[in-house]
Amino acid sequence: AQSVTQLGSHVSVSEGALVLLRCNYSSSVPPYLFWYVQYPNQGLQLLLKYTSAATLVKGINGFEAEFKKSETSFHLTKPSAHMSDAAEYFCAVSDAGGTSYGKLTFGQGTILTVHP
Amino acid sequence: NAGVTQTPKFQVLKTGQSMTLQCAQDMNHNSMYWYRQDPGMGLRLIYYSASEGTTDKGEVPNGYNVSRLNKREFSLRLESAAPSQTSVYFCASRSSSSGNTIYFGEGSWLTVV
Repeated sequence: AQSVTQLGSHVSVSEGALVLLRCNYSSSVPPYLFWYVQYPNQGLQLLLKYTSAATLVKGINGFEAEFKKSETSFHLTKPSAHMSDAAEYFCAVSDAGGTSYGKLTFGQGTILTVHP
Repeated sequence: NAGVTQTPKFQVLKTGQSMTLQCAQDMNHNSMYWYRQDPGMGLRLIYYSASEGTTDKGEVPNGYNVSRLNKREFSLRLESAAPSQTSVYFCASRSSSSGNTIYFGEGSWLTVV
């Protein structure tokens, strides 16, 4: 079984400040890990993914995440927040071995607010 | 670039009514999924189809049925809608050739009154 915990349902930062969204996962098999972003009334857009290659993953819009197996974490960061980053962010895990047919297990989401 | 297309985008149903959410993908993906999104709960898997001709239950299948009509289309049916099924529904498909990336549709907002 797999699970994802996102620490903090709401995160608020000032424009230009560091963005840190926390994600911890639990998986009995090697995982694939994903971050998705959802803007209001829209679908989910893939930000970045970890698929057992480099542990530091760079994504779109200046975001990156680091896979830390020892900490079972996959935190999302961005050095300088923009107003356009305000959205809801979801961390998700799937089974790298393929036996789960790519099914994703999602965290509960973190709403990022960016203040001027 | 159509990707994953869902219809309808918005729907209001009365309790007990039935309806079908349609989903089609034009990326030649084998696997397709239906998720529901509720506040504070992330997305939860309702049903999935690993390949054409197969369907399986996900985490929250009760009250739903699905049909994998062909490789492109995967529909979700509510036979007798209940207020607890008020949610946003997302269809998705998977590219097994791109690190298992899952692509999502725009969502269908369903209200059951």
